[in-house]
Amino acid sequence: QVQLEQSGAEVKQPGASVKVSCKVTGDALSDLSIHWVRQAPGEGLEWMGGFDPEEGETYYAQNFQGRLILTEDISTDTTYMELRSLRSEDTAVYYCTRSEDSFDLWGQGTMVTVSS
Amino acid sequence: QSVLTQPPSVSAAPGQKVTISCSGSTYNIGKNYVCWYQQLPGTAPKVLIYDSDKRPSGIPDRFSGSKSGTSATLGITGLQTGDEADYYCGTWDSRLSAGVFGTGTRVTVL
Repeated sequence: QVQLEQSGAEVKQPGASVKVSCKVTGDALSDLSIHWVRQAPGEGLEWMGGFDPEEGETYYAQNFQGRLILTEDISTDTTYMELRSLRSEDTAVYYCTRSEDSFDLWGQGTMVTVSS
Repeated sequence: QSVLTQPPSVSAAPGQKVTISCSGSTYNIGKNYVCWYQQLPGTAPKVLIYDSDKRPSGIPDRFSGSKSGTSATLGITGLQTGDEADYYCGTWDSRLSAGVFGTGTRVTVL
């Protein structure tokens, strides 16, 4: 069955960048629309961005404009979320998720801690 | 900051019914389908409802969804202790060209 496998936890200093990977197994990434959602400790879900393969368009939440880069490596069925200029408020669990009629399949989540 | 508003919490006794509202605008709920997600502590969200009122296979019919105008509602009947979780609505916002989630509702079984 299709699974999304994310990279491990990260600890970063303020101002640094983090790059989280999400590998698709059981299907081809080129057929999928993968989005990213984050959740700060004790907070709700926040949509960050995602790729629509039908339109060939990558969408970003306004909150992350200029700091967030979503990329894909079709050859390895892996998608990446890079967040730059990290600040303490970026401490959160980051999820990749498949978008079909809903976000119906989720990765296990990657904890990113931003601390000096 | 979220564009979709939910009540912070709802509660009821086992076996009873709860409803969770999700209020948006003509740009999001008014134009697009709504999904509902259940998030148990320490786990990733799980979809309960898609296309506003459809249940994925494996989701019991105790869970139901509806949409009217710029609001959506999740209903849970026959409440069980295992239903204690956070619930989120979500949809696409056509003006923002962005996904949006509700503020989240904690369900407590008394």
